[in-house]
Amino acid sequence: EPEVTQTPSHQVTQMGQEVILRCVPISNHLYFYWYRQILGQKVEFLVSFYNNEISEKSEIFDDQFSVERPDGSNFTLKIRSTKLEDSAMYFCASLGLGRRNEQFFGPGTRLTVL
Amino acid sequence: ILNVEQSPQSLHVQEGDSTNFTCSFPSSNFYALHWYRWETAKSPEALFVMTLNGDEKKKGRISATLNTKEGYSYLYIKGSQPEDSATYLCADIYNQGGKLIFGQGTELSVKP
Repeated sequence: EPEVTQTPSHQVTQMGQEVILRCVPISNHLYFYWYRQILGQKVEFLVSFYNNEISEKSEIFDDQFSVERPDGSNFTLKIRSTKLEDSAMYFCASLGLGRRNEQFFGPGTRLTVL
Repeated sequence: ILNVEQSPQSLHVQEGDSTNFTCSFPSSNFYALHWYRWETAKSPEALFVMTLNGDEKKKGRISATLNTKEGYSYLYIKGSQPEDSATYLCADIYNQGGKLIFGQGTELSVKP
């Protein structure tokens, strides 16, 4: 069964540093997403990506965040200057056509900002 | 209801007990409701995608119902097993390819 993979599983960084979280979505999927869950809170939507551009973004997804699909397989989330409040579990998801909107999730990257 | 809400937040049951949780969501502009099962350190796994009012879906011992007019869905687990221990998430979605809006989850713990 195809699956979404994410690397690294855990990233520790200092406040103000840049981080890049990587995802490999399922190969024939067309929609890509990033979500995050801050400990004790709901899973919240960050951004969706379709046809090589952002299709929707949340208020959280400010200028410090960016996404790329550089090579047709990877899907990355970059945080330019991390803040303490960016500490969370970040999930990537992908969706193919004809799958009843079933988004397939990766196992997540736990980001800890010190 | 403006948000997706789940209850209870956590549930502790004995092996063999049957249990159910609730997901409430805005009933206007309904498109689909998802149930996910999430075990620690694993990917959230899709259980059901519910689209029609009155839908009832089943996967083994787990089933779900949907009421779009009043804005709720129930997830039932019959004869809980320790391997059912996980967080169960429901999520609302408003359009094809759209974002999922999650509830806070119900954490289920099944003791042998």
